[in-house]
Amino acid sequence: GQNIDQPTEMTATEGAIVQINCTYQTSGFNGLFWYQQHAGEAPTFLSYNVLDGLEEKGRFSSFLSRSKGYSYLLLKELQMKDSASYLCAVRDRWQAGTALIFGKGTTLSVSS
Amino acid sequence: GAGVSQSPSNKVTEKGKDVELRCDPISGHTALYWYRQSLGQGLEFLIYFQGNSAPDKSGLPSDRFSAERTGGSVSTLTIQRTQQEDSAVYLCASSLAGQGGEKLFFGSGTQLSVL
Repeated sequence: GQNIDQPTEMTATEGAIVQINCTYQTSGFNGLFWYQQHAGEAPTFLSYNVLDGLEEKGRFSSFLSRSKGYSYLLLKELQMKDSASYLCAVRDRWQAGTALIFGKGTTLSVSS
Repeated sequence: GAGVSQSPSNKVTEKGKDVELRCDPISGHTALYWYRQSLGQGLEFLIYFQGNSAPDKSGLPSDRFSAERTGGSVSTLTIQRTQQEDSAVYLCASSLAGQGGEKLFFGSGTQLSVL
């Protein structure tokens, strides 16, 4: 079966650092994605990992350990606008272009 | 178009009626996906189209749900004899398939409410 787990909710304050974890159990693996979704809006792409290690992109970084079935999204210098739902998604088959399987998302609330 | 376009943005229907939801993907994108999202839930995969290949229908929850993609572009998701549990946001996404790290670009969704 396929299972992707993330915490349901997290809170943090402006300027802080927050780490959102994602664990997955899938029949195959061909990449892990993080998407950001503001309330009432469509999800937008944040990051992609297919090899182990850390991918850094500005204030956001994403880490992957394939042997552990584990990823995290690291958000630095938090801003109020970072309040959103963060979705972890896995492509579980080797064929490119197959559907992404999404976790239920982590709702992050940033306060001043 | 500049992005993925979905219509209608909101649809209210009565239980038992049929509904059609439309998705117009980004021009040139060969892959098209339908997902649905219930309140506070993640995205549930419904169906996937890739070029001229047979669609992956493995996510459709029942035979009341069907989808087609005409001319490799516009897609229509049809729900027959709607039930209250069908109420959700239906999201369409498209991508340039053929690359493992391809990004999905999502439309703004159709909010379906079944009374």
